[in-house]
Amino acid sequence: QLHLQESGPGLVRPSETLSLTCTVSGGSISSSDYYWGWIRQPPGKGLEWIGSIFYSGSTDYNPSLKSRLTISIDTSKNQFSLNLNSVTAADTAVYHCARQVYNRYIQDWGQGTLVTVSS
Amino acid sequence: QSALTQPPSASGSPGQSVTISCTGTSSDVGGYNYVSWYQQHPGKAPKLMIYEVDKRPSGVPDRFSGSKSGNTASLTVSGLQAEDEADYYCSSYAGRNIVFGGGTKLTVL
Repeated sequence: QLHLQESGPGLVRPSETLSLTCTVSGGSISSSDYYWGWIRQPPGKGLEWIGSIFYSGSTDYNPSLKSRLTISIDTSKNQFSLNLNSVTAADTAVYHCARQVYNRYIQDWGQGTLVTVSS
Repeated sequence: QSALTQPPSASGSPGQSVTISCTGTSSDVGGYNYVSWYQQHPGKAPKLMIYEVDKRPSGVPDRFSGSKSGNTASLTVSGLQAEDEADYYCSSYAGRNIVFGGGTKLTVL
């Protein structure tokens, strides 16, 4: 049974960098069958795909976030991470990590973690 | 990339059928057979209900079905049950990206 768990600060100051890590258990992050992704949901709003990474390190990013975004992977720890810089209040959201079947669909979701951007 | 268009709300009585639409463009919904649908109950993570237009993951009731015509995909829930009340999101592959719809709140009357 695959389990994904997000971790990181729940409060980030404006203009700083939001950093989250997803720890994967019950499956290998080095599988060639999956991508590993991030999706966010502002309070009371819809889902927004942030980006994804393959075990090789190849990434795909949402064009609207690309200039501020870095997704990385650590296969030795079975983890992948999200860094979003220059954050504003608009980046306040529940951030989910996920296992994707390539960029076709999202098969498994983490429970999500709320990140608030505020001074 | 623009979000896919879904109606904000839909409703039906127990036992009835309801269909939720999801309209995109030839660059996403119309261009690929990679439309998926997710169910989200309040405070919970989304759950995959339909993938690749009309495929159901193991464990999803066959009351849920998907289809596509041109740039519009649809999710049909037959034999509505109280537990089907939730938010539903469509999604599509959009050329190295994933794009979501704005979501539809399904109410079981």
